Amino acid sequence: GNSVTQMEGPVTLSEEAFLTINCTYTATGYPSLFWYVQYPGEGLQLLLKATKADDKGSNKGFEATYRKETTSFHLEKGSVQVSDSAVYFCALSEEAAGNKLTFGGGTRVLVKP
Amino acid sequence: EADIYQTPRYLVIGTGKKITLECSQTMGHDKMYWYQQDPGMELHLIHYSYGVNSTEKGDLSSESTVSRIRTEHFPLTLESARPSHTSQYLCASSDRDTQDSGANVLTFGAGSRLTVL
Repeated sequence: GNSVTQMEGPVTLSEEAFLTINCTYTATGYPSLFWYVQYPGEGLQLLLKATKADDKGSNKGFEATYRKETTSFHLEKGSVQVSDSAVYFCALSEEAAGNKLTFGGGTRVLVKP
Repeated sequence: EADIYQTPRYLVIGTGKKITLECSQTMGHDKMYWYQQDPGMELHLIHYSYGVNSTEKGDLSSESTVSRIRTEHFPLTLESARPSHTSQYLCASSDRDTQDSGANVLTFGAGSRLTVL
């Protein structure tokens, strides 16, 4: 079945540091890939997505590129802010699996001033 | 503004009580979901629905039940709450993204945090 593996946290960074969160996936076909973010006390919000190989999703300074050859969708941001402190979830959906989302375990990021 | 609403946000209740967590969405989405989020943050799909009168069990077995009588409502019920049911419950809805075929984008509610004593 489908699965998503992302790096464990917590990840602690200083403001303006470079952030990378690794995400790899296993799927039987050609999934769509997503990053969701959960701020403290809130539900999840879509951060970015990519629906086919080599697509780059981007939003709020975050980027992730769909790499089919390495089955990866790593999240990056060049200069983080304190407001980026949150839990980040990598996820995939595939039509063959009824388009249900499969989530990774989440990575907590803490940005210190 | 289209959105998805969950009530209550926080609930502390004694063992054996019956509880219902409400979820409503104003976007006309056909698909709705309930996820259980454990303290380690991991999300587990416990129920989903593809439309009115459609309900399915998710990947994680749950003693809760759901109903989908109207498109906009997807309540979750626990007939007899136990401490093991203490968790955060997240409701979500989706519709096919018309611009990107196959991209099932979920909109989440803010969650209901349940504590059973």
